[in-house]
Amino acid sequence: SQTIHQWPATLVQPVGSPLSLECTVEGTSNPNLYWYRQAAGRGLQLLFYSVGIGQISSEVPQNLSASRPQDRQFILSSKKLLLSDSGFYLCAWSRRQGETQYFGPGTRLLVL
Amino acid sequence: AQKVTQAQTEISVVEKEDVTLDCVYETRDTTYYLFWYKQPPSGELVFLIRRNSFDEQNEISGRYSWNFQKSTSSFNFTITASQVVDSAVYFCALSEPYSGTYKYIFGTGTRLKVLA
Repeated sequence: SQTIHQWPATLVQPVGSPLSLECTVEGTSNPNLYWYRQAAGRGLQLLFYSVGIGQISSEVPQNLSASRPQDRQFILSSKKLLLSDSGFYLCAWSRRQGETQYFGPGTRLLVL
Repeated sequence: AQKVTQAQTEISVVEKEDVTLDCVYETRDTTYYLFWYKQPPSGELVFLIRRNSFDEQNEISGRYSWNFQKSTSSFNFTITASQVVDSAVYFCALSEPYSGTYKYIFGTGTRLKVLA
């Protein structure tokens, strides 16, 4: 069966510091991968989408970037965090475009 | 344009009551998928169900049931005999797999509070 992992689970970072969140999927190959952000009490905002290694689509211009160095690894990064980057970050995978997305446990990021 | 509307922001019920969460969608595609997810306080989105646009059969899974009606563009979710563990935010979502877009269109979510 497939599983999706995210780490860290919780992170507190000062403004201006770098960020690296990791997501890995097991039990499947060539998944579509997604990064979402959810601000407190709000809905889900799609940040990035990837259909393959090195292929990243960005949904909104922002302080964040994503990379996919391996088939089942998706990384969310920032060179300098802003207060507005605080939120709950969710990684998801799907077998094909438009099909069911399965979500990881998420990372809570607090930027102070 | 694609849209998913969950008009109920928050619902409170007493344990053992039945509760229905509404979802209304808009799409121009004839082929689409509809989804329900549960987000408990831990935060992880838990997949509950997927329906495709060609299958209007209602579905029941234990205390959960889903009513898909294309005529009213609705995909409602009913929890029978609610329990405290059902307390969560529930999201309805739409995807159009053959439209060339990979996006889900999420509703804004309905927070369900089940009181003991």
